[in-house]
Amino acid sequence: EIVLTQSPATLSLSPRETATLSCRASQSVSTYLAWYQQRPGQAPRLLIYDASNRATGIPARFSGSGSGTDFTLTISSLEPEDFAIYYCQHRRNWPLTFGQGTRLEIK
Amino acid sequence: EVQLLDSGGGLVQPGGSLRLSCAASGFTFSSSAMSWVRQAPGKGLEWVSAISGSGDSTYYADSVKGRFTISRDNSKNTLYLQMDSLRVEDTAEYYCAKGLGTTIGRFEYWGQGTLVTVSS
Repeated sequence: EIVLTQSPATLSLSPRETATLSCRASQSVSTYLAWYQQRPGQAPRLLIYDASNRATGIPARFSGSGSGTDFTLTISSLEPEDFAIYYCQHRRNWPLTFGQGTRLEIK
Repeated sequence: EVQLLDSGGGLVQPGGSLRLSCAASGFTFSSSAMSWVRQAPGKGLEWVSAISGSGDSTYYADSVKGRFTISRDNSKNTLYLQMDSLRVEDTAEYYCAKGLGTTIGRFEYWGQGTLVTVSS
């Protein structure tokens, strides 16, 4: 099983700042990595798939990069609605797994 | 508009059974891989099971293998999860999720979730 480790666990920033979230895989997942946002009381929402492709309707301030074992989600110029929990997830093989999440909170 | 409506959750005793349903609309259901993902209270996301568009291929997390069965009825645009021998640790919000394109493993749209509570 591929383990995804996200860091930091919690990130405290102010609106208009830039957030950088990390996801590290225990073995290579190529570019088969996705990022999701989950706001309180809501279902997750797909942001980025295959490491760097924005999903439909996702603002350009969200960007993803990386390959192999190290990935980054960057959110530029944070908006109030961006403060949420973010998860990475791989589809390299079975079982599919998620990272434990990074909570992005308002400083 | 894509819609996924999860239902069937509730309170069940350990060892009991429950069947979840996910009614889909707004897309070609038979062409889409589907999955179930769960989230225990206050915890992260855990993939549970996936099924191909035709239903020929199914996949399970080790934690549910042999106890849960995923299936679909493409004539009714509905996804199912039959959960048997339920354990306290199966308590979670269960979401159905539509795959992006025909590929299993990318969760483009999600249902609103249905809560399963396993307790005596």
